[in-house]
Amino acid sequence: NAGVTQTPKFQVLKTGQSMTLQCAQDMNHEYMSWYRQDPGMGLRLIHYSVGAGITDQGEVPNGYNVSRSTTEDFPLRLLSAAPSQTSVYFCASNEAWTGELFFGEGSRLTVL
Amino acid sequence: QQQVKQSPQSLIVQKGGISIINCAYENTAFDYFPWYQQFPGKGPALLIAIRPDVSEKKEGRFTISFNKSAKQFSLHIMDSQPGDSATYFCAALQGGSEKLVFGKGTKLTVNP
Repeated sequence: NAGVTQTPKFQVLKTGQSMTLQCAQDMNHEYMSWYRQDPGMGLRLIHYSVGAGITDQGEVPNGYNVSRSTTEDFPLRLLSAAPSQTSVYFCASNEAWTGELFFGEGSRLTVL
Repeated sequence: QQQVKQSPQSLIVQKGGISIINCAYENTAFDYFPWYQQFPGKGPALLIAIRPDVSEKKEGRFTISFNKSAKQFSLHIMDSQPGDSATYFCAALQGGSEKLVFGKGTKLTVNP
């Protein structure tokens, strides 16, 4: 029972580099989302998707891109990493119209 | 604008004591209030949730109290145990919305 799987778990980037955080879920959930967690800031929504081909911005979308080509996958792209993007990133999925999110174990990103 | 305000930021309780975490909201359209529990190095997981048509919900040692008129809800952990040491997030969801709004979290430490 994999649930929500995130890769990589840890990543160090230099300023200006690009990378993609991968997220996959095997629960056939329609909704998927990306959050970042910073000390004292809680969980802030970056982007979310309500189904394949449909994405929308959350609270802190700048500097991040997403796409949703399949129900299972929802990658998060950093096109030009900045130190302000140093954070722990969580991917989550849920059934439509429910607040029960299933989170991955997180990806810790450091941008130097 | 913080839609869900959570307090305290940190809480230390002795084993066997009662832990109380409070949250307040402004948006009267919120109609689902979950609490998430996060252990170090893990993603958050749903602990317990309530809808505004009830004033209290209990699951084992965990109880949510809900005060609709005051727009406040709280998590009570009875007989707190060291294994309860974690970060707790309250959240709120508006009916018809896909966006779960989180509080900033409370780090609970239960001393043996």
